[in-house]
This record gives sequence, structure tokens and C-alpha cells, in this order.
Amino acid sequence: KNQVEQSPQSLIILEGKNCTLQCNYTVSPFSNLRWYKQDTGRGPVSLTIMTFSENTKSNGRYTATLDADTKQSSLHITASQLSDSASYICVVSAASGGNNRKLIWGLGTSLAVNP
Amino acid sequence: NAGVTQTPKFRILKIGQSMTLQCTQDMNHNYMYWYRQDPGMGLKLIYYSVGAGITDKGEVPNGYNVSRSTTEDFPLRLELAAPSQTSVYFCATHPASGSTTGANVLTFGAGSRLTVL
Repeated sequence: KNQVEQSPQSLIILEGKNCTLQCNYTVSPFSNLRWYKQDTGRGPVSLTIMTFSENTKSNGRYTATLDADTKQSSLHITASQLSDSASYICVVSAASGGNNRKLIWGLGTSLAVNP
Repeated sequence: NAGVTQTPKFRILKIGQSMTLQCTQDMNHNYMYWYRQDPGMGLKLIYYSVGAGITDKGEVPNGYNVSRSTTEDFPLRLELAAPSQTSVYFCATHPASGSTTGANVLTFGAGSRLTVL
């Protein structure tokens, strides 16, 4: 069964600190892995998208890594800001060509950044 | 450039009522999707469309219908609303499909929160 599991479920950090969120997946066939940020009451916003051959991809203070051998990904947030408070969702595409009909969504990690 | 616009933002329905959730995009994207998001669950695909006049079922289509008469609009129809349809509904789009990963990045609307009592 295709699954995406994220940890931790929730996380509280102080402003300015770094944090790393984890994503483990069992999805086949694998096409790409995405990280989305979802603010409360809003739709998800794409942070990164990585294919099988990409190990790291950055978007500002967000850096995603992918280990396709161990089927693990991480999202590292550097120098956190209050606006980083949100849910971070790992999504894996289970189809060739990045077909969005076969996206497996994780439950997300809820991050709270406190002053 | 408004992106993806969903209306209404909030709606309360009685069991058995019908309604349509509207989704409009001004990015000329071919692909459009309807998802629902329930507490403690990942997003589930309801219906999708690869272009005007073409729609297909997703993972959880029962109780819903869609149409795609234009590139811009992709309304989601709920017939005979049930409490199980209480959820937040998201419309999403992307321009194309293929090996270029950027073409597959979804742009979401702000969501429509529906409660069925």
C-alpha cells in the first residue's frame, strides 16, 4: 500500500532556531517528492519538488533532501521566523511523468515558531 | 492575476440539500483538480480535468459531480449533501503534465469550508 509518513506530528521551536522535518514513504512507482507549506485556513503552497535523481533542493531558507534508496526525505528550515508557523506536508507522486492523479499526501507536521 | 479563486469560503448545508462549489483560474492552466481535506487525513482527490470537456474520477468521487465547459471554470456539485461531506474543499491547477517537474506544481485556491448538518 502506498503510504507517506511524517514526523514529528507537531513541533514547537523558538524564533531563529533551525529545525528538520522528516518524511518516509513507501510509494511505487516513484516519480517525484514535493513539500508543501499550508498556513491555517489557506491552501497548500509548493516549496520544493524533487525527482529521483535530485538529492537536495533549496528554496530560500527551506532545504529539502531526498534519499531514494532509503525512501526518506527531510525538510530543513534555517533561522526560523514567526511566519514559518504552518503545517508542512510531504507528497509523493506515484506515477511516471509527475502525473498529479496519483499523489500520496502525508498528514503533515504542524510547526509552531514562538518568539 | 488572481490565480485560483474559490467560492464560497464558508457554507452550511442541511442534509439532502444540493450546492455547487465554484473554482475559477486565470492562469490558462489545462489541469484542474478538486480535493477534500478532513482533520487527521491527507488530501484526497475527488475529481480532476485535463482540459475543457474532459473530466475523470479521483479517489473519492461518490456524491459529487463536476463539469469543465471552459478552461477557466471547474465547478464541483454536491447532490443530496450528507454529514460525511463536511470537509474543506480545495481546487488546484497546473499548466501541463510531463517530465518537466515545474509543469506539475499545483497552485491551490484558498479553500471552501463546508458543513453539513
